[in-house]
Amino acid sequence: EIVLTQSPNTLSLSPGEGASLSCRASQAISTSYLAWYQQRPGQAPRLLIYGASNRAAGIPDRFSGSGSETDFTLTISRLEPEDFAVYYCQRYGRPPLFGQGTKLEIK
Amino acid sequence: EVQLAQSGAVVKKPGESLKISCQSSGYDFDTYWIGWVRQMPGKGLECMGVIYPGDSETRYSPSFQGQVTISVDKSISTAYLQWSSLKASDTAMYYCARGRWPQWIDAFDIWGQGTMVSVSS
Repeated sequence: EIVLTQSPNTLSLSPGEGASLSCRASQAISTSYLAWYQQRPGQAPRLLIYGASNRAAGIPDRFSGSGSETDFTLTISRLEPEDFAVYYCQRYGRPPLFGQGTKLEIK
Repeated sequence: EVQLAQSGAVVKKPGESLKISCQSSGYDFDTYWIGWVRQMPGKGLECMGVIYPGDSETRYSPSFQGQVTISVDKSISTAYLQWSSLKASDTAMYYCARGRWPQWIDAFDIWGQGTMVSVSS
C-alpha cells in the first residue's frame, strides 16, 4: 500500500519568510490526485490545493503546489501569522490517504 | 450555502454501540462522495472510508475495514458512521467531508465541524 511521507515534521520560521513543505509518495501517484490541507488548532481541515497545483476557492495566491509522480511540494511565500498551522498532503481517489503532517510553527 | 452539520459530542463506555451523523445541505447529496476522517488526540488525519450516496457504494481504508460501518439515508441527506462495540482506542475527533467534484472520490472541499467521541469506563 502506498505511503505518503511528509518532511520536515516541524518547520520553524518567522512571519514574512517563505516555507517549503515536502510530500513524498512510496510509489508514483497521478498528479491529478494530490491535495494539500491546512488545519489550525481546534478547527476542521481546509482544502488548499487539489490536482497538485490548483488552488481551492478562496485560497490566497501565496499558497502554491507543485510536483509530480512521487515528489510534491507546498510552497507558502511571505508567511502570515494565520499560516502557522499543521499541513497535510493527501492522495485522493480510492479510499483517500493522508501524510502524517508537517507542523509549521513560529520561530 | 453548502454545509455539513455533524451530531454532537458523545461519551460512551467500552463495548457500547454508537452511530454518529453528518447532515448535508445546499447541494445535491446523491452525487457527491462523502468521507469520514478520524483524528486521534494530538495525531494526524486518517481517512476511514468513503461512500457514494447515490447507490451507497462504499470503500473502506484497509485499517478500518470491518471495524466501522458507513451508511447513508438519502431521504434526509445524512451520512452515518457506526460502531457495534466501541473500544477506548476509538476515542477521537471524527470529521465528515465532501468530495469536491460530483461522482469522483475527489479532494475534500467541505468539512463538518467534527464529532468528538470519548470512550472510557
